[in-house]
Amino acid sequence: QVQLVESGGGVVQPGTSLRLSCAASRFTFNGHAMHWVRQAPGKGLECVATISYDGYRSAYTDSVKGRFTISRDNSKNMLYLQMNSLRPEDTAVYYCARDLGVGATLGVIDSWGQGNLVTVSS
Amino acid sequence: DIQMTQSPSSLSASVGDRVTITCRASQGIRNDLAWYQQKPGKAPKLLIYSASSLQGGVPSRFSGSGSGTEFTLTISSLQPEDFATYFCLQHNTYPLTFGGGTKVEIK
Repeated sequence: QVQLVESGGGVVQPGTSLRLSCAASRFTFNGHAMHWVRQAPGKGLECVATISYDGYRSAYTDSVKGRFTISRDNSKNMLYLQMNSLRPEDTAVYYCARDLGVGATLGVIDSWGQGNLVTVSS
Repeated sequence: DIQMTQSPSSLSASVGDRVTITCRASQGIRNDLAWYQQKPGKAPKLLIYSASSLQGGVPSRFSGSGSGTEFTLTISSLQPEDFATYFCLQHNTYPLTFGGGTKVEIK
């Protein structure tokens, strides 16, 4: 059973930074691309960032480009999301999520963490 | 970015009903479409990917079809545990984009 455990969320003020972490276990982490997906309260889903299995390629949704950075440490089975210049509209539950593909990014998310709430408010 | 338009946004149905949800892409995405089920307070669950491939462990009453820009998710006989919100996801082009969701409620 794939396990993804997020941490690092909380309440922060606009303009500040936060780093989310995701500890992955029970699967071969370095074989899968990973995603961060967020869901604002009562709203739909938005994939904010994707990173390839080897960490060499990444992609971002327009609203976070230049502010968020996705990274991974395959030696530690860890995924990260560095969020800078946070805005109230970044308030959401952030999910760490695994790509279905092995050794290639399919863009199909097949496993999710429990979610971590980030609230940006003054 | 590719826009995904899902319809209806909500529907009411009874146990045993056949339910169809539609997702339309703003441009062609071949068959690169997935469907998810989400219950309140829980993470989404993958049901179908590549438009029609059933994820392991998902009941066969769920099926998907379509290609290009028009896709459907069908639940052949709605069960009590199927009342939830359903989302589509295009996995053709980055950034990945989701539909707005369809809430399936009990009639």
